[in-house]
Amino acid sequence: KNEVEQSPQNLTAQEGEFITINCSYSVGISALHWLQQHPGGGIVSLFMLSSGKKKHGRLIATINIQEKHSSLHITASHPRDSAVYICAVLDDKIIFGKGTRLHILP
Amino acid sequence: DAGVTQSPTHLIKTRGQHVTLRCSPISGHKSVSWYQQVLGQGPQFIFQYYEKEERGRGNFPDRFSARQFPNYSSELNVNALLLGDSALYLCASSFSPQAYEQYFGPGTRLTVT
Repeated sequence: KNEVEQSPQNLTAQEGEFITINCSYSVGISALHWLQQHPGGGIVSLFMLSSGKKKHGRLIATINIQEKHSSLHITASHPRDSAVYICAVLDDKIIFGKGTRLHILP
Repeated sequence: DAGVTQSPTHLIKTRGQHVTLRCSPISGHKSVSWYQQVLGQGPQFIFQYYEKEERGRGNFPDRFSARQFPNYSSELNVNALLLGDSALYLCASSFSPQAYEQYFGPGTRLTVT
C-alpha cells in the first residue's frame, strides 16, 4: 500500500463545477504540501499546511491530522485549472502521491 | 529574484551513456533536493544536499550520484544510462534541510533511447 494515496486519479469536469481532490496518508507527518504540475512539467507550490484550512483565491485546502486526510477544493473551476495536482507529505523526508489529473472542459 | 533554474531543459541520450544535470537554487537557499518523476507517477526522492554534504538518499542505484558546490548549485550525475532512466528530473531548493517549503525548478526531461 502506498504511503500517500490520492483520489481520484483522473477527473474531468465542466467549467464552473466545484472540484474536490483527496489525499490520504499512512505515515506521521509534520506538514502536507499541495502542488500543481502543468503539462510542461514545472511544479508550483499551492499550499503548505499542518492543521486546519487555508484559502487562496478559488483554492481551499483542508487537513485533518487525526484522520490523516487532506482535501484540495477548487471553486468555480476554469479550463486553466487543468493540471496534475500532487499531494506530498513531509516528515524527515518528503513522499509524493501519484497525482490527480484534472481536466476542466469549457 | 530568480527561482530555481535547471539545465538543460531537454536531453536525449543513448543507453550506456553518462549524463549530468544542473540545478541552481534560489539565492540564499542552502539545500538542494533531486527527484525523479517517471511518466504518470509522482516524484521520487533521489538525493538531498545541504552545505555541500549529502543529507539524504532515496532508493536509487549507485549509478546515480550528486554533489553540491560552494555556491550551493548542484549536479546530478547518472552513469550507464538505462531506458528506465527516462524521466523528468526535478530539483527543489529550500533554506535548510528541515525547511518544509521547497521551491521546485522546471525540471529536465531526459529521454534515453
